[in-house]
Amino acid sequence: ETGVTQTPRHLVMGMTNKKSLKCEQHLGHNAMYWYKQSAKKPLELMFVYNFKEQTENNSVPSRFSPECPNSSHLFLHLHTLQPEDSALYLCASSQDAMTGTFNEKLFFGSGTQLSVL
Amino acid sequence: GNSVTQMEGPVTLSEEAFLTINCTYTATGYPSLFWYVQYPGEGLQLLLKATKADDKGSNKGFEATYRKETTSFHLEKGSVQVSDSAVYFCALTDPGGSQGNLIFGKGTKLSVKP
Repeated sequence: ETGVTQTPRHLVMGMTNKKSLKCEQHLGHNAMYWYKQSAKKPLELMFVYNFKEQTENNSVPSRFSPECPNSSHLFLHLHTLQPEDSALYLCASSQDAMTGTFNEKLFFGSGTQLSVL
Repeated sequence: GNSVTQMEGPVTLSEEAFLTINCTYTATGYPSLFWYVQYPGEGLQLLLKATKADDKGSNKGFEATYRKETTSFHLEKGSVQVSDSAVYFCALTDPGGSQGNLIFGKGTKLSVKP
């Protein structure tokens, strides 16, 4: 148990559906992240929130919409997804947003396995 | 740009065999280097890290040494166990200071047979 909880664990949705992924951390961290893990590809950083403010959007399509209402919760709202968006979506947190000289440890949730039909 | 290259998997070993998973990197500046491990059905966990040249990170019998001259951070373990079966990711922080940008390799799947 890493202290980062993601729900649901599995999600199947059609291309016209709207769904949301939820992430919650009980570690008192100030930074939260969404990563996408696709088969045979490196993890892709999608979004970074630091103190509830979005500090990075890594050229993610607008059909993915993040929301961070407080430092403990992070959502990823999904709408009109494509089959190629099927992947494992990982949430992570750290004490503060990582910089090149601030060697923070990331704590990951178990992920939501998303299948888009 | 900055990048991480890991050996292709899967790697299949017998219990008590010696493990090496190669990792090389390309980066400007002086990144910190990490190995993360992902056990089946779980998220990634930090296994070990090294923050400067010649540092050795170690944890749970795994070791990796930050080699600036060869831009490498190979993961080693002298005697693997079945419980070490997982996917291993090499990563580096973005020396440019981009917040949250931990650059990962593609991962190497390790299967250890009894």
